[in-house]
Amino acid sequence: ETGVTQTPRHLVMGMTNKKSLKCEQHLGHNAMYWYKQSAKKPLELMFVYNFKEQTENNSVPSRFSPECPNSSHLFLHLHTLQPEDSALYLCASSQGGLAEQYFGPGTRLTVT
Amino acid sequence: GENVEQHPSTLSVQEGDSAVIKCTYSDSASNYFPWYKQELGKRPQLIIDIRSNVGEKKDQRIAVTLNKTAKHFSLHITETQPEDSAVYFCAASGDNYGQNFVFGPGTRLSVLP
Repeated sequence: ETGVTQTPRHLVMGMTNKKSLKCEQHLGHNAMYWYKQSAKKPLELMFVYNFKEQTENNSVPSRFSPECPNSSHLFLHLHTLQPEDSALYLCASSQGGLAEQYFGPGTRLTVT
Repeated sequence: GENVEQHPSTLSVQEGDSAVIKCTYSDSASNYFPWYKQELGKRPQLIIDIRSNVGEKKDQRIAVTLNKTAKHFSLHITETQPEDSAVYFCAASGDNYGQNFVFGPGTRLSVLP
């Protein structure tokens, strides 16, 4: 295992639901990331947290809300999602910038 | 911002042959170029990376070359094996991007026995 875990692994939610994705890293890294991976698009960076501070928000809709309470945990809060938000959501961590990013197994999200 | 293109989108080779995947990037300030491999149903994992102060890096059957002038870099896999079958992603980043990697769209490599 890479030391980055994600829960849940699969999630089905309706458009009016509120849910949260959780990511935890046990590698002592100081940066964490959320990516979206769709079938026909490259990995899309959504958010970056560096030392718990958000340093990047790639024009992500407000229905996605990240939270980083400490350097080991990262959440993605979801509300009023759209069917096109169905995708694999990957969390990653790294030690500083321009370094290897360790990915979690992902959460397969289906919005109905 | 940075834009990364990757070719080909799919590649089939016979076991034992070589495979080459090419990426181009747009921002001359980018200086870190990793390659990730994602097997079916699994997470992406780094297989090799290169920084702009070197032109080539090799790790057993895998090598990466970088041409900063032309703004392109390539992944070379020699003596391919069935377990090399996966989707390969290139990425580019630089000091001005912080931790922001821009990934290419991926290449699906199939190694035929």
